[in-house]
Amino acid sequence: KQEVTQIPAALSVPEGENLVLNCSFTDSAIYNLQWFRQDPGKGLTSLLLIQSSQREQTSGRLNASLDKSSGRSTLYIAASQPGDSATYLCAVGKGQGGSEKLVFGKGMKLTVNP
Amino acid sequence: DTGVSQNPRHKITKRGQNVTFRCDPISEHNRLYWYRQTLGQGPEFLTYFQNEAQLEKSRLLSDRFSAERPKGSFSTLEIQRTEQGDSAMYLCASSRGGQGDKKLFFGSGTQLSVL
Repeated sequence: KQEVTQIPAALSVPEGENLVLNCSFTDSAIYNLQWFRQDPGKGLTSLLLIQSSQREQTSGRLNASLDKSSGRSTLYIAASQPGDSATYLCAVGKGQGGSEKLVFGKGMKLTVNP
Repeated sequence: DTGVSQNPRHKITKRGQNVTFRCDPISEHNRLYWYRQTLGQGPEFLTYFQNEAQLEKSRLLSDRFSAERPKGSFSTLEIQRTEQGDSAMYLCASSRGGQGDKKLFFGSGTQLSVL
C-alpha cells in the first residue's frame, strides 16, 4: 500500500527565506507526482506536476524535484512571501491512467511571517 | 467561471438524513473525481468517472454512498442515512483524459457537518 509522508507537519519562517518542503513515498512505481496548495476551508490548487520520467519542474519561484528510486520529492520555494502561507500537499499517482487515484500526504502547514 | 464548481459550499444535517452534493467540472474535462478530506488529513480517493462511466470506487465508499454522472457532464454524490463519521469536506476534481498533462483541478469543496 502506497504511503506518502510529509515532514514536518508545520513550518513558520520569516519572509524572504528560501524553503525546502519534503515528501517521501513508499512505492516507487508511480506514474506522476503532484504538489498542491490548499488555503483554509478551500479546495486544492495544483502547483506542479512531475511525470515519473522527469527529474524536476519549475514554475516561477517554485521548483519541484523527483527522485523516484529513493521515493522522494522536494518542493523548493524561493524568497518566501506572506502570501505563500498555506498548506502544501504532495500526492502520487499510480497506474497507466495516472492521476485517477492520487494518494496524498497529510500536508505541511506553512506560515510566512512579514 | 471556467473552474470546477461545487454546491452547496456547506451542508449541516441531522444524523439519518440523506444529502446530495453537486459538482460541475471544467467543460472540456472528461474525467471527474470525488475525494473526501477530514481535518488535518490529506484527501482520500472515493471514486472517479470517465465520461458517464464510473470506473473505480474506493472501499471507503460504503453502500450508503452513491455517485452518478449522467450524460458525462455534472456529477452528484448522495449519502443516505448520514452518520456523524461522514462529517468531512467532500472535494470534486476534474482532468483531461488520454495522454498528456494529468493535472487535477479541484473545486472548493462541500463541507458536511452531521449533527
